[in-house]
Amino acid sequence: QQQVKQSPQSLIVQKGGISIINCAYENTAFDYFPWYQQFPGKGPALLIAIRPDVSEKKEGRFTISFNKSAKQFSLHIMDSQPGDSATYFCAVHSGGYQKVTFGTGTKLQVIP
Amino acid sequence: GAVVSQHPSRVICKSGTSVKIECRSLDFQATTMFWYRQFPKQSLMLMATSNEGSKATYEQGVEKDKFLINHASLTLSTLTVTSAHPEDSSFYICSAQDRLNEKLFFGSGTQLSVL
Repeated sequence: QQQVKQSPQSLIVQKGGISIINCAYENTAFDYFPWYQQFPGKGPALLIAIRPDVSEKKEGRFTISFNKSAKQFSLHIMDSQPGDSATYFCAVHSGGYQKVTFGTGTKLQVIP
Repeated sequence: GAVVSQHPSRVICKSGTSVKIECRSLDFQATTMFWYRQFPKQSLMLMATSNEGSKATYEQGVEKDKFLINHASLTLSTLTVTSAHPEDSSFYICSAQDRLNEKLFFGSGTQLSVL
């Protein structure tokens, strides 16, 4: 049973543009919604995360928008840079982080 | 920031041998560690959850006798792939949960190639 749907599968953005990646979840019990960034041959690294009691969180060029009623959340990367080229995974946590379910991933390529 | 050290980063072995992968939390204590498997261009699939001092909890479809997990201390968990076969070739990633702030940190992964 797929609990997290992520789109798009791949994304090409020009340098300076906005990258937007979306995730939709099913289970309302989830209480922590992070985004992870993964470079080839490396483990994922936490990028930014949000809890369901807020609708938006911004850290530098990265923003999470959260729509609790629609059970969707998205990652916005402003002023995208070639160094942002990586695979991004959304995830959902529940039960005190005991279990993490990852989205299917989005490969982002930022071209100069 | 918190660091999770995973070794080795890459291992090539012959079919039938066993391979041990270590996952250490370097500057925090981890009551819970997780082991994932990732195929090329795919997402991370949780294999098992290990809590310090107790038996690991395996996800459905993961053979516990094939993938032995030991979490002997608050900073170390090991995954041993026993009698490895080519179909076990994959990228294995561990993560550790900081028991103070509950944040999750990932190791850099181990690329296992079984010939």
